[in-house]
Amino acid sequence: QKEVEQDPGPLSVPEGAIVSLNCTYSNSAFQYFMWYRQYSRKGPELLMYTYSSGNKEDGRFTAQVDKSSKYISLFIRDSQPSDSATYLCAMSAWGDSSYKLIFGSGTRLLVRP
Amino acid sequence: DTEVTQTPKHLVMGMTNKKSLKCEQHMGHRAMYWYKQKAKKPPELMFVYSYEKLSINESVPSRFSPECPNSSLLNLHLHALQPEDSALYLCASSQDLVLDTQYFGPGTRLTVL
Repeated sequence: QKEVEQDPGPLSVPEGAIVSLNCTYSNSAFQYFMWYRQYSRKGPELLMYTYSSGNKEDGRFTAQVDKSSKYISLFIRDSQPSDSATYLCAMSAWGDSSYKLIFGSGTRLLVRP
Repeated sequence: DTEVTQTPKHLVMGMTNKKSLKCEQHMGHRAMYWYKQKAKKPPELMFVYSYEKLSINESVPSRFSPECPNSSLLNLHLHALQPEDSALYLCASSQDLVLDTQYFGPGTRLTVL
């Protein structure tokens, strides 16, 4: 079983829809949770990051972390065609002399005009 | 300024060549990372530098040699690469390994002939 699971999609939605992207993880040591957006042939761009359980909002984006369920989500409101990209979750843990950063496999999102 | 720059954007090299990839950030970050990303896959961590010292080497072959000349620069020296090393090489930086929200450069697309 992978430490971080993410549905690869593709996820196709009409413009204006609310998009829900999710990741599950198995390692309770993960402390930091991030969402990246990656356009084709570009580097990942940080969208959101959270350290604790709960919600964090930034414009049209809301990141949600539920550590008890080992589940994180990214919601995109009023989705736009320009949101069409691959969305990667990432999580990290820093322990005694060790560091781990794991990306999900990415979910491809297509927002149809 | 949250920019990480990488040069060159594209690189084509033969299996006997020696080349270097360069990464620069001026955010005062003390952790810098090299990733390798194949098409339609998430980035894979290669090396982590923390305070200019190599902290993590994810069992990367010795034909890849990282170097951190100062806190703003990170190089990746390439020698005797194989065609399967063709990929997008991403550099990232973060404030430090504990507060490790990472900011990525645009990447260098490497083709090994």
